[in-house]
Amino acid sequence: AQSVSQHNHHVILSEAASLELGCNYSYGGTVNLFWYVQYPGQHLQLLLKYFSGDPLVKGIKGFEAEFIKSKFSFNLRKPSVQWSDTAEYFCAVNNRNQGGKLIFGQGTELSVKP
Amino acid sequence: GAVVSQHPSWVICKSGTSVKIECRSLDFQATTMFWYRQFPKQSLMLMATSNEGSKATYEQGVEKDKFLINHASLTLSTLTVTSAHPEDSSFYICSARVAGANTGELFFGEGSRLTVL
Repeated sequence: AQSVSQHNHHVILSEAASLELGCNYSYGGTVNLFWYVQYPGQHLQLLLKYFSGDPLVKGIKGFEAEFIKSKFSFNLRKPSVQWSDTAEYFCAVNNRNQGGKLIFGQGTELSVKP
Repeated sequence: GAVVSQHPSWVICKSGTSVKIECRSLDFQATTMFWYRQFPKQSLMLMATSNEGSKATYEQGVEKDKFLINHASLTLSTLTVTSAHPEDSSFYICSARVAGANTGELFFGEGSRLTVL
């Protein structure tokens, strides 16, 4: 069965620190990959997505992610976090042959200390 | 971007009653909508896929008679929690895919928090 695994449950960083959140998926077919963010009290918002092409994807607010097919990974990075990045981050995978059904990872809570 | 709206955003009900949650795509048509459930500090669990004009497809372990889904138009899907019990208390989130799009990108509603007393 298709699954998505996020390695870190809770990450605590100081402002200006660099961020990398791990995401691995288990599915051998063609997939679309996403990172969503959920700020406290708000709904999910799309950070970035990968469908094809350049495996290094740039998203909003300075986030980027790299798709490494051989490792089934899609890690999220940001060179310098801000207090406003405090949120829950979800990696999600969609199997192109399953009608758009999106499977989410467990989520990683990011706390940025000012 | 595409906007998805849910109503109500929160609801409190007595055990044994039924609650209906609406999910609307405001500025696009959605042939497919998805219903998720999110427990505190946990991820989103897909409950069912709602297809306009046909029966919903439920994920394994989700009771279809408990969680009734209707997708009567291209802009509206409803989730009815029947005979709600305290264990049904959760955050329910809907999402929609733009009709004709094959990218897999979903647009999410604000969520509906259900509390069953």
